[in-house]
Amino acid sequence: DTAVSQTPKYLVTQMGNDKSIKCEQNLGHDTMYWYKQDSKKFLKIMFSYNNKELIINETVPNRFSPKSPDKAHLNLHINSLELGDSAVYFCASSQDPSSYEQFFGPGTRLTVL
Amino acid sequence: GDSVTQMEGPVTLSEEAFLTINCTYTATGYPSLFWYVQYPGEGLQLLLKATKADDKGSNKGFEATYRKETTSFHLEKGSVQVSDSAVYFCALKKRDKIIFGKGTRLHILP
Repeated sequence: DTAVSQTPKYLVTQMGNDKSIKCEQNLGHDTMYWYKQDSKKFLKIMFSYNNKELIINETVPNRFSPKSPDKAHLNLHINSLELGDSAVYFCASSQDPSSYEQFFGPGTRLTVL
Repeated sequence: GDSVTQMEGPVTLSEEAFLTINCTYTATGYPSLFWYVQYPGEGLQLLLKATKADDKGSNKGFEATYRKETTSFHLEKGSVQVSDSAVYFCALKKRDKIIFGKGTRLHILP
């Protein structure tokens, strides 16, 4: 069983479209995260949720909106996609916000044309 | 602000060579330090960690020692294998956030 899963694995879309990426974890963790990895492999946190509550919200455009329907799921919706949004988006989870280890999903490669 | 700096890649070595990937950090207080590894097409995995000064983290033949005096956490392995080819990320954790370095790509040639 995959611990942290994301769908889709690849997403190719046109500028201006709206898209969503879904994430699920079956580890029973309380905390989930979204990271963005750019073309140079630089990995930066975007959001973190603990028990469905937002606890980290980095400087991310308002076009990005996370949603956590329950503590096993954290989805990312992106409005009005731009070329600069092209990246690999990773979901991760941890037991709680203070845990040392985060478990990452396989990533979603988003390409905006 | 807090940050992590690691050596630029790619690093290319022959199998059984000695590996060092340098990492230094800037942070107030006493962060925990980590190395994560990303194999091709996969997400990151925790490789090793150290939570206080002079701690040595180790896993799969890799080691790193938390040196507060030099604010460093260099990754070492005595004899690398082709299967070690991956991107390695040094990271620190303070409060609820992990801050990653920019990653170092490692290529091991057979």
